Amino acid sequence: GDSVTQTEGQVALSEEDFLTIHCNYSASGYPALFWYVQYPGEGPQFLFRASRDKEKGSSRGFEATYDKGTTSFHLRKASVQESDSAVYYCALGDGMGYKLTFGTGTSLLVDP
Amino acid sequence: GGIITQTPKFLIGQEGQKLTLKCQQNFNHDTMYWYRQDSGKGLRLIYYSITENDLQKGDLSEGYDASREKKSSFSLTVTSAQKNEMAVFLCASSIDRVTGNTLYFGEGSRLIVV
Repeated sequence: GDSVTQTEGQVALSEEDFLTIHCNYSASGYPALFWYVQYPGEGPQFLFRASRDKEKGSSRGFEATYDKGTTSFHLRKASVQESDSAVYYCALGDGMGYKLTFGTGTSLLVDP
Repeated sequence: GGIITQTPKFLIGQEGQKLTLKCQQNFNHDTMYWYRQDSGKGLRLIYYSITENDLQKGDLSEGYDASREKKSSFSLTVTSAQKNEMAVFLCASSIDRVTGNTLYFGEGSRLIVV
């Protein structure tokens, strides 16, 4: 079945560092790909999505590019802030448009 | 804007007990979901519902029942609570297939089994 792999369980950075969180997927066709962010005590929030090869999604300074060749959708940010500390989830949509399959999440901690 | 309200925020029960979580949304969304969140395992789909009175099983439906009697509400029942299923349960909704899987989540309900 469809699956999403996030290799980093935790990432620790200092403010203004460059962020990369890796996301690889396994699915047929061109599934929609998503990033969600979850702050402590809250539910996950939609960050952005992309649905075709080479499409870039972005929001709040974060971005990711859909790469069908490497089956990846890596999250990047040029300069992180302490307020970016949260758990980030990569997710994959099913072809019917109903279900999302989530990765295991990456906890980002940014020191001031 | 809208909101998803989950009750209770903390649900404490005994092993073997039947326990129910409730979710209300005022987005007027068609589809609603229940996900289970365990540390290190991400979010796993338990049940979803495309419309009122519809139920679809997710990957983790065993040991759970769900009910969608109104468009705005979706409840989840743990049929026999076990200590190894203490987790956070997240309710979500999405407008329809056209927007392609964008989900809006509640804040979660934590299940504690004693």
